[in-house]
Amino acid sequence: EVQLVESGGDLVRPGGSLRLSCAASGFTFSSYAMSWVRQAPGKGLEWVSSISDVGGGTFYADSVKGRFTISRDSSKNTVYLQMNSLRAEDTATYYCAKDRGSWSPQTWFHPWGQGTLVTVSS
Amino acid sequence: EIVMTQSPLSLSVTPGEPASISCRSSQSLLHRNGYNYLSWYLQKPGQSPQLLIYLASSGASGVPDRFSGSGSGTDFTLKISRVEAEDVGVYYCMQGLQTPVTFGGGTKVEIK
Repeated sequence: EVQLVESGGDLVRPGGSLRLSCAASGFTFSSYAMSWVRQAPGKGLEWVSSISDVGGGTFYADSVKGRFTISRDSSKNTVYLQMNSLRAEDTATYYCAKDRGSWSPQTWFHPWGQGTLVTVSS
Repeated sequence: EIVMTQSPLSLSVTPGEPASISCRSSQSLLHRNGYNYLSWYLQKPGQSPQLLIYLASSGASGVPDRFSGSGSGTDFTLKISRVEAEDVGVYYCMQGLQTPVTFGGGTKVEIK
């Protein structure tokens, strides 16, 4: 069974940093692109970032470009999201999701993790 | 970026009755390979989103066959043939044709 388990969410002050982790199991991690999608409280879904299966290609929403960094460690079957210079508008539940296969701009997400809550507030 | 627009915003349905949700994209989602990169997700209360439909009309594994997707280009529809109590939640369409991936605003389905 494919499982994605996020962790690392916390309360952080504006301007602070946080690193989210997503531990994957039940599939060949190195063969799939992975993504992060967030959902502000009571709001809809917003794609944040994706990372290719090989080659290290990374992709970001304009709203986080230059502040967030996605990475992966195939030895640990884990994808990370390093979040710097956090703002109040980054407050959201962050979901990790498995892409449909190896990196392609043409994609869908399945499955999704349970999410981890990031709150940016003073 | 491609803008996704869903309607209606909310839907109240009697169990056993059908339901339909529309999703429109600001650009065609038809790839030159002949596939439409439109997927549907259901977010049940307190849960993460789950994939229902991909490539506009292909049902994800384990999804009941009362869910169906149709459409091509810029107009898409999700239909529930007979709504059940477990179908409550917010439904989202998503375009996966090009980066950035974008989502519709969601349609909340409630049971009467």
